[in-house]
Amino acid sequence: SQWGEENLQALSIQEGEDVTMNCSYKTYTTVVQWYRQKSGKGPAQLILIRSNEREKRSGRLRATLDTSSQSSSLSITGTLATDTAVYFCANTNTGKLTFGDGTVLTVKP
Amino acid sequence: GGIITQTPKFLIGQEGQKLTLKCQQNFNHDTMYWYRQDSGKGLRLIYYSITENDLQKGDLSEGYDASREKKSSFSLTVTSAQKNEMAVFLCASIDWGGPETLYFGSGTRLTVL
Repeated sequence: SQWGEENLQALSIQEGEDVTMNCSYKTYTTVVQWYRQKSGKGPAQLILIRSNEREKRSGRLRATLDTSSQSSSLSITGTLATDTAVYFCANTNTGKLTFGDGTVLTVKP
Repeated sequence: GGIITQTPKFLIGQEGQKLTLKCQQNFNHDTMYWYRQDSGKGLRLIYYSITENDLQKGDLSEGYDASREKKSSFSLTVTSAQKNEMAVFLCASIDWGGPETLYFGSGTRLTVL
């Protein structure tokens, strides 16, 4: 199936826990981006990691990229209830920006 | 800061009808995208435009046409609306030569009767 056709995966954790979400992509990519989408809103970009970077950090977020396995991960440390959202990765090659299937993260207070 | 405006916010059409969704951005971004998001699912790329005079098909282009009228505007046409097309359509733009941040509009929710 195409990316974006599968039902979203779901994760439910307690506030304060750390979480890691994974994503794999099928085509050569130069950039992977991670997005967060809250209910009723469009996605908002969280972090961008390039093909020549293995890791990128931004506050409580850490993204990794493994070009050999064509996979990326997003970790959130010390989760908050406000981190509850759907998280997507997206990869791009020559301007075509394609989103992965996404993970529904619920952080319980 | 800039904004992406999608019109209309809600679009109700009849099966078989031709419907047009509009998107305007004032970021002065070269690249614009149209995505479809079905309930509980991810975003699928319909059409994109790298620069003002460019138009490229995404993974879900069948049944859709697009038009980049000028740098700031990008329209999507559903050529013959089908009941299983009920979804939210999201427009986005980015400056790949600059901050590389993708901005989204608030979406058009399509309902086909």
